[in-house]
Amino acid sequence: DAGVIQSPRHEVTEMGQEVTLRCKPISGHNSLFWYRQTMMRGLELLIYFNNNVPIDDSGMPEDRFSAKMPNASFSTLKIQPSEPRDSAVYFCASSTTGGAGNSYNSPLHFGNGTRLTVT
Amino acid sequence: ILNVEQSPQSLHVQEGDSTNFTCSFPSSNFYALHWYRWETAKSPEALFVMTLNGDEKKKGRISATLNTKEGYSYLYIKGSQPEDSATYLCAFNRRDDKIIFGKGTRLHILP
Repeated sequence: DAGVIQSPRHEVTEMGQEVTLRCKPISGHNSLFWYRQTMMRGLELLIYFNNNVPIDDSGMPEDRFSAKMPNASFSTLKIQPSEPRDSAVYFCASSTTGGAGNSYNSPLHFGNGTRLTVT
Repeated sequence: ILNVEQSPQSLHVQEGDSTNFTCSFPSSNFYALHWYRWETAKSPEALFVMTLNGDEKKKGRISATLNTKEGYSYLYIKGSQPEDSATYLCAFNRRDDKIIFGKGTRLHILP
């Protein structure tokens, strides 16, 4: 079990540039979550997918943020254009759930995170 | 309670002492309550997932209880050790699979 794999580990970019964060969930997990960690807000849920379908993106800060899950083994979180206030650690996590109203008792498994710095 | 709230924010405990902290969560739309341990420079790791009112779970010196009717959970650490120093997060798992975290309790064990 390789765990949840995120890349890159660190990203430094200039304001206005496009940033793409990547996540490979644990094989067999059908739910994937993107969180953002800041000192002020803690771990904020940005978006989550179930069976590759976005279920709730109400946590996405604004239209500059978008996320996709083209297949069960890959997801991206894109910020375009990036701003200094987007600087944070972004975590991806996966688990096994049953979908709305049918969750299993499965904890989240987190990747190592991507530390994003926008200058 | 509309959000997930944890208290205290920070806690200093003498090595060998026992301690506990609280997680409060909405009592509606509940499916499960998670506890995670988060060490500096690492990722959060799951301790417990609890679903039933009155649930108690234990892992070594760490245990947790759940009250879904009043919307709270306690995490207990017995005989604190230096390796227990970490941030402890709880997360509210709604019926629609949305999982919302509290801001955590940062525990420091003093030698």
